[in-house]
Amino acid sequence: KAGVTQTPRYLIKTRGQQVTLSCSPISGHRSVSWYQQTPGQGLQFLFEYFSETQRNKGNFPGRFSGRQFSNSRSEMNVSTLELGDSALYLCASSSGQGFGNTIYFGEGSWLTVV
Amino acid sequence: AQSVTQLDSQVPVFEEAPVELRCNYSSSVSVYLFWYVQYPNQGLQLLLKYLSGSTLVKGINGFEAEFNKSQTSFHLRKPSVHISDTAEYFCAVSERGRDDKIIFGKGTRLHILP
Repeated sequence: KAGVTQTPRYLIKTRGQQVTLSCSPISGHRSVSWYQQTPGQGLQFLFEYFSETQRNKGNFPGRFSGRQFSNSRSEMNVSTLELGDSALYLCASSSGQGFGNTIYFGEGSWLTVV
Repeated sequence: AQSVTQLDSQVPVFEEAPVELRCNYSSSVSVYLFWYVQYPNQGLQLLLKYLSGSTLVKGINGFEAEFNKSQTSFHLRKPSVHISDTAEYFCAVSERGRDDKIIFGKGTRLHILP
């Protein structure tokens, strides 16, 4: 069974640009969540989607948005990039709502903003 | 609201020695508890989880953790570490019946010394 797949793995963007990251969950998983990982802040929760609906949202500005499609694939978008957005963005999927279920992580997308 | 504190940002330990990585949490309700491991340039992988039942939880790669409700702790232990255990370890908590958002600690980097 294929794991969580994230694309692209690495990308470099310029301040002010926007970026879209993609995540394909494990087959059959309906919940997808996104995290930002930086050396200073650790892992921070961005948002969670279940069956195309956003269930939870972390404390990030409106420049960070996401969506989930009917096939459970998810995208997150960051507009008007800032240097501080440089981070590893991790996607995770699980079979059900909530986190009593095990969540499985992808290998992440490394974003560098210059 | 729940929170997670990993008391050590880095832990050096000699190969074949025992190790304990400490984790304390704060919550006003019952919780689920997790330990994840992140190897270099990879996403997070579940080591073990506590949902209910026995307070001693065994995970992969010889790791185990003990849930201590009175001390609100979930420390991770391994009796004999190997060089391949070099990684960052994250403790995480999710509150039952709440918005099920999972909160991660800031991580503990385990350095195995030869």
